[in-house]
Amino acid sequence: KNEVEQSPQNLTAQEGEFITINCSYSVGISALHWLQQHPGGGIVSLFMLSSGKKKHGRLIATINIQEKHSSLHITASHPRDSAVYICAVRYIGRTGNQFYFGTGTSLTVIP
Amino acid sequence: EPEVTQTPSHQVTQMGQEVILRCVPISNHLYFYWYRQILGQKVEFLVSFYNNEISEKSEIFDDQFSVERPDGSNFTLKIRSTKLEDSAMYFCASIVTRVGGYTFGSGTRLTVV
Repeated sequence: KNEVEQSPQNLTAQEGEFITINCSYSVGISALHWLQQHPGGGIVSLFMLSSGKKKHGRLIATINIQEKHSSLHITASHPRDSAVYICAVRYIGRTGNQFYFGTGTSLTVIP
Repeated sequence: EPEVTQTPSHQVTQMGQEVILRCVPISNHLYFYWYRQILGQKVEFLVSFYNNEISEKSEIFDDQFSVERPDGSNFTLKIRSTKLEDSAMYFCASIVTRVGGYTFGSGTRLTVV
């Protein structure tokens, strides 16, 4: 069973739409990463969160520690936002400080 | 902005051959990682490295794998005798502090034939 669940798996949106991608996890975490993977495979870190909300340009990430849930929002989506968005968590209490990754949400924004 | 650099970007190798994947982390970063992503699957942790030794490794990281930081800058992943199932994208990542966020390299796509 995947410990980091993302939804939806695939998402198609019209340019300009508001997009939400969800991530849930099973046990307590110390940090959560939102990452963007381009079609060529490279990974870019968008946000790292441990509480609250962060905003960068048209991207907003929120986390609810009690509900073990995070969301990534994209406002005024654009075709260049088309990518796979990945949630990764660092668990409290596990040895090591590596991240555990979700399977990703593939976003396609149509002009 | 500082980058993590990986070379080569794509490597094709014969099954049974040794490969070395190279990474140059950001200069003031202290913790280094290798992850891999088999095509269509999620990213998986391989190994973490700190203070010139392995600090954590996954069950994937068996005796065929090794890491080292030979000259204080390059961070390498060696696969001694490649198998078809080693075909994947391999990502290097580094962080300044143990609880920091990652900077990823652009990855090396390894194809074993």
